[in-house]
Parts: sequence; C-alpha cells; structure tokens
Amino acid sequence: GESVGLHLPTLSVQEGDNSIINCAYSNSASDYFIWYKQESGKGPQFIIDIRSNMDKRQGQRVTVLLNKTVKHLSLQIAATQPGDSAVYFCAENNSGTYKYIFGTGTRLKVLA
Amino acid sequence: NAGVTQTPKFRILKIGQSMTLQCAQDMNHNYMYWYRQDPGMGLKLIYYSVGAGITDKGEVPNGYNVSRSTTEDFPLRLELAAPSQTSVYFCASSHRDRGSEKLFFGSGTQLSVL
Repeated sequence: GESVGLHLPTLSVQEGDNSIINCAYSNSASDYFIWYKQESGKGPQFIIDIRSNMDKRQGQRVTVLLNKTVKHLSLQIAATQPGDSAVYFCAENNSGTYKYIFGTGTRLKVLA
Repeated sequence: NAGVTQTPKFRILKIGQSMTLQCAQDMNHNYMYWYRQDPGMGLKLIYYSVGAGITDKGEVPNGYNVSRSTTEDFPLRLELAAPSQTSVYFCASSHRDRGSEKLFFGSGTQLSVL
C-alpha cells in the first residue's frame, strides 16, 4: 500500500507533457525487459516489454527504448495524464532463467 | 478471468505466529512466483514454481515455505513470524510463451509483524 516507494526518486511533469523514465539494468546477459506500473495499494501492472534483438518498441502512448551498449532502458509516455501517476519500474530477465531482476522504481507525479 | 487472486489483503501478526498467504490464478499458467516488496526496494523473489509438484527457492527463502499441489494454487507459509517479514507480498504467474515471459501480479498482501 502506501508504504511502498516512500523514498523513491520522483519525476514531476505537467499534464499533457511527455515523460521519460530511465532504468539502468545490471546483467549484460539479460535479453528480455519489462516496464511495470504500480498504483498505490495495487500490484504491478504490465505496460510494455522488449527483447534484446530490438532497440525500440511502441505501444499505445508508450515507447520503450533499449540501449544494450550502456545497459540502459527508458520508458517514454506521451501526453502524460493524471491517471499515469504511479510508481514505474523496470524488470530484466535472462530467458534461460526464471529470475527477474527488478529496479527500485521511479514515482511519476502528474501536475494539473 | 480474475487473473491472480491473493488473500488476505492485510494482516497483522504477533511475533512467532504462523499464517498462510493464499494465491490462485485462473489463466492456466505453469509458472508461479512469490515476491516481497520492502519500501524503496525492488521486488525480491522468495520462492517460485515451474509446475504442480515442483518448487524452488528464490533469493530470500528463509522463514517461508511453499507448496504447489495444483496448477492454480501456490500458497506461501510463514511458520514463525518475525518483524523482518513485515512487507508487502505479491504473487505472480506467467506462461512463458515464446517471445513473452511477462509476469501477471496479484494485488498484494500487506503484512505487519509486531
């Protein structure tokens, strides 16, 4: 519930602007990456995923960019809306294992 | 489909008490997981299962036990609750289809051990 993410980095954006949330991943062997959205008191919700053979993937209002050279992942949200306010975190996986490594998250605040 | 269902949503335990966190999924997923989420931290894997009758330890299994007698259910047991087990617990499942291994999460159980 509210105890999750008390000390997370926060990104504040104006409603209607674009948001960019960044994630540095740790394992160079990871070949599958997921972005999750977590609203207060709820479980993480899948947003978009990308495999390592791609560097960009687009969904509805969201784009994920993958830079394997520097082990960096970003989530871009177009025309940010109040309903986008949540904690966002990335997860990495080596598809040969069952282990997902989760980032600590970024809190997105949308200002009216 | 209800997806992944967890019960209870909240629980307060005294030190030394035991309890079982329930998790059920109706998506016929073969893989199921238990995670804990501490404030400001990423999700940590407690236990996972790749199918009925098969379970294995994750990163932080101490103090917990699991069983997987059916595809649908994956309960997590705390035998002797300790304050260090105060956390939010999430159950997740996945099918690991070719090209996508996304996890589907339940809504969580917030546990306090006092």
